[in-house]
Amino acid sequence: NAGVTQTPKFQVLKTGQSMTLQCAQDMNHEYMSWYRQDPGMGLRLIHYSVGAGITDQGEVPNGYNVSRSTTEDFPLRLLSAAPSQTSVYFCASSYGGTGDQPQHFGDGTRLSIL
Amino acid sequence: AQSVTQPDIHITVSEGASLELRCNYSYGATPYLFWYVQSPGQGLQLLLKYFSGDTLVQGIKGFEAEFKRSQSSFNLRKPSVHWSDAAEYFCAVAPGDRDDKIIFGKGTRLHILP
Repeated sequence: NAGVTQTPKFQVLKTGQSMTLQCAQDMNHEYMSWYRQDPGMGLRLIHYSVGAGITDQGEVPNGYNVSRSTTEDFPLRLLSAAPSQTSVYFCASSYGGTGDQPQHFGDGTRLSIL
Repeated sequence: AQSVTQPDIHITVSEGASLELRCNYSYGATPYLFWYVQSPGQGLQLLLKYFSGDTLVQGIKGFEAEFKRSQSSFNLRKPSVHWSDAAEYFCAVAPGDRDDKIIFGKGTRLHILP
């Protein structure tokens, strides 16, 4: 049972480049989320999805896109990378909404934008 | 708006000593409360959660937390810490409605002295 798998683990980009952070879960969870973690800021919600075909914005959505074509996968796209997007990104999933269910986290993607 | 405060950014304790990490929340009703732990280079792992009932909650790795409604607190405790407990700890609050979002505190980094 792999849980939540994030790829890549590390990435360095140049300003203006685009890339996709992958997230997959094998627990048949309907709820998936993307967070960014910055020093002293805790975790901030970027986007989330309550099921296949449904996505919504979180606290800090600007500069990121998501889609949810399957229950298992929830990729996060950076359209034009900016240095302010240097961060550690975590994907999480839960059986129900984050309001009443504990979340399962991936190991993170460490992203640096030069 | 709901919020969660962890007043201590860093805490240092000696191995074998007792530990208490503070967490205060702001919310009109009794929310769902969580403690997560993050080891270096890892994602967050759920330590324990409080939904209702007994205000003293037991978690994994020998941790416990006590919900005190009058103080709007949910402090994490361990009677005797081990070097492997060195990590960052996050308190989180959720309103209990599956359609609402979980809010994380900014974290407390625990250092263990040998």
